[in-house]
Amino acid sequence: DTGVSQDPRHKITKRGQNVTFRCDPISEHNRLYWYRQTLGQGPEFLTYFQNEAQLEKSRLLSDRFSAERPKGSFSTLEIQRTEQGDSAMYLCASSPNRGDYGYTFGSGTRLTVV
Amino acid sequence: QKEVEQNSGPLSVPEGAIASLNCTYSDRGSQSFFWYRQYSGKSPELIMSIYSNGDKEDGRFTAQLNKASQYVSLLIRDSQPSDSATYLCAVNKGTDKLIFGTGTRLQVFP
Repeated sequence: DTGVSQDPRHKITKRGQNVTFRCDPISEHNRLYWYRQTLGQGPEFLTYFQNEAQLEKSRLLSDRFSAERPKGSFSTLEIQRTEQGDSAMYLCASSPNRGDYGYTFGSGTRLTVV
Repeated sequence: QKEVEQNSGPLSVPEGAIASLNCTYSDRGSQSFFWYRQYSGKSPELIMSIYSNGDKEDGRFTAQLNKASQYVSLLIRDSQPSDSATYLCAVNKGTDKLIFGTGTRLQVFP
């Protein structure tokens, strides 16, 4: 069990560029979650997967955002045509069940859009 | 009304004192409750979970839940400077996701 891994740790991009983040959950966890956190705020839910199925997307997730989890293993979160308001920490978490026992978070990807 | 509310702080306590962190939630159907600790620039780390009314103790930490009052708290005994962090309250409403509060910043001074 190596924990939840996220890559990259930091990303600086110019406004209008596309970015993609990767998350590798704990291997036996079938649920994977994406959250976004800005300074002074708690994590905000974006989307989650059970295995390869994306079961819920937040209204925060505009059509510029897309997430995938092929084969129910790692997941990617892509942001197209980035805006300065997308600057945040993007957190991935996984859990073995419904989240009744809490999540394990990865280290996060800090995105800065300039 | 926010779904999960916390006082943003900072809450300042002297080393060795008891720190008391509070959280209220709006959905009476909420089923499970969590406290996460987040150091500056780091990701949240689960420290306590509680599912039924009453107290749950784990080392220096005690979580308290009162579903009738829709209130959950975290007590940290013998506070240490290393406890200085933001403490996030999270609630599972019976769906598959956690709803987080904005967090309370705790400062423990020597």
